[in-house]
Amino acid sequence: GAVVSQHPSRVICKSGTSVKIECRSLDFQATTMFWYRQFPKQSLMLMATSNEGSKATYEQGVEKDKFLINHASLTLSTLTVTSAHPEDSSFYICSAADRNGKNIQYFGAGTRLSVL
Amino acid sequence: GNSVTQMEGPVTLSEEAFLTINCTYTATGYPSLFWYVQYPGEGLQLLLKATKADDKGSNKGFEATYRKETTSFHLEKGSVQVSDSAVYFCALSSGNQFYFGTGTSLTVIP
Repeated sequence: GAVVSQHPSRVICKSGTSVKIECRSLDFQATTMFWYRQFPKQSLMLMATSNEGSKATYEQGVEKDKFLINHASLTLSTLTVTSAHPEDSSFYICSAADRNGKNIQYFGAGTRLSVL
Repeated sequence: GNSVTQMEGPVTLSEEAFLTINCTYTATGYPSLFWYVQYPGEGLQLLLKATKADDKGSNKGFEATYRKETTSFHLEKGSVQVSDSAVYFCALSSGNQFYFGTGTSLTVIP
């Protein structure tokens, strides 16, 4: 099946620093990638939809200047958490939709962010 | 609008017990339906899917049937194993958007 690689799997950083998370589709081209946030024992909350070559579409309540998304190619999207604070600590998951329109999202393994 | 309602957990079963996790949905149009599984500390993995009414998705002994008349997509397995312990998410897709249920935690004890 399709593989989505997310890196890093875990990051611990100091408050005020920025953290970049990468999401790559390894064996297919993804016109659209999605970024989710998951709080403990809760479902996934869609943060933004990332389209290759254009600006990301953010969900209501998600600060676009806080969570910078870049989708520079058909196989790579990045999420940068800028000036991270402890309340940004969470599990971030990306997914990629196959451009062939199979209407399936393939998920990365997630990134556990802990901000001290 | 689109939404997914999933049976609340946690669910604890003995090995070889029968599993049902209920999922109902509301949707405009004709969505595709999915079950994803999340093992501890990992991302989501697609477990099975169904793209139209009366389709049955199946994988690793799990099954779910797309029931348009009851707007349901219940997950079932005849005999669970300890390795099935995970969180299960029901989801629907409409267009390019996914809508997830809140997840049901399953623990299978030996």
